[in-house]
Amino acid sequence: DGGITQSPKYLFRKEGQNVTLSCEQNLNHDAMYWYRQDPGQGLRLIYYSQIVNDFQKGDIAEGYSVSREKKESFPLTVTSAQKNPTAFYLCASSIEGMNTEAFFGQGTRLTVV
Amino acid sequence: AQSVTQPDIHITVSEGASLELRCNYSYGATPYLFWYVQSPGQGLQLLLKYFSGDTLVQGIKGFEAEFKRSQSSFNLRKPSVHWSDAAEYFCAVGPTGFQKLVFGTGTRLLVSP
Repeated sequence: DGGITQSPKYLFRKEGQNVTLSCEQNLNHDAMYWYRQDPGQGLRLIYYSQIVNDFQKGDIAEGYSVSREKKESFPLTVTSAQKNPTAFYLCASSIEGMNTEAFFGQGTRLTVV
Repeated sequence: AQSVTQPDIHITVSEGASLELRCNYSYGATPYLFWYVQSPGQGLQLLLKYFSGDTLVQGIKGFEAEFKRSQSSFNLRKPSVHWSDAAEYFCAVGPTGFQKLVFGTGTRLLVSP
């Protein structure tokens, strides 16, 4: 079955440590996205990528980094510079642009203690 | 800048009753409009989308939405709610071409017996 796989589903890290969230898709989509979700704030865009080896900052990119070395993969690193990293992180992909349907992964809940 | 407002944080509807979730947007041209649904701890699933043409859009699970340009609204409706519809609903707006979607803060639907 085609889809987007995020792993792990739950992640715990100590404050000050970097952590990488995985996102893999087998839909052959060009575009991929990372969103952060906090209660009462909806989804906020962290980074997006339209093509391999290229990506752009979203609204809240500070403290995060990404790479897009393969079409299928778009990992997100939450660095120690992110002041409040505890959140639910969602990865999505689409054929081209967001004016087509975006498919979402099941999310990763990151808790920093 | 584009924005989306979902004025209702929570809505409780009796099972079998009709439902309307409100969404208002701010955008300079005709936007692309979406409704997504999210079950707890899960990713988002697309319910329906509006790009152009007929302003009444049919989606999955018996949902529909009507685009009203004069009111800058894209309200989601369902004639008879089922207990399985309890979830969080997000309205989103995007411009033409490749650019990021902007999401509303979501409306949590509770279904009472």
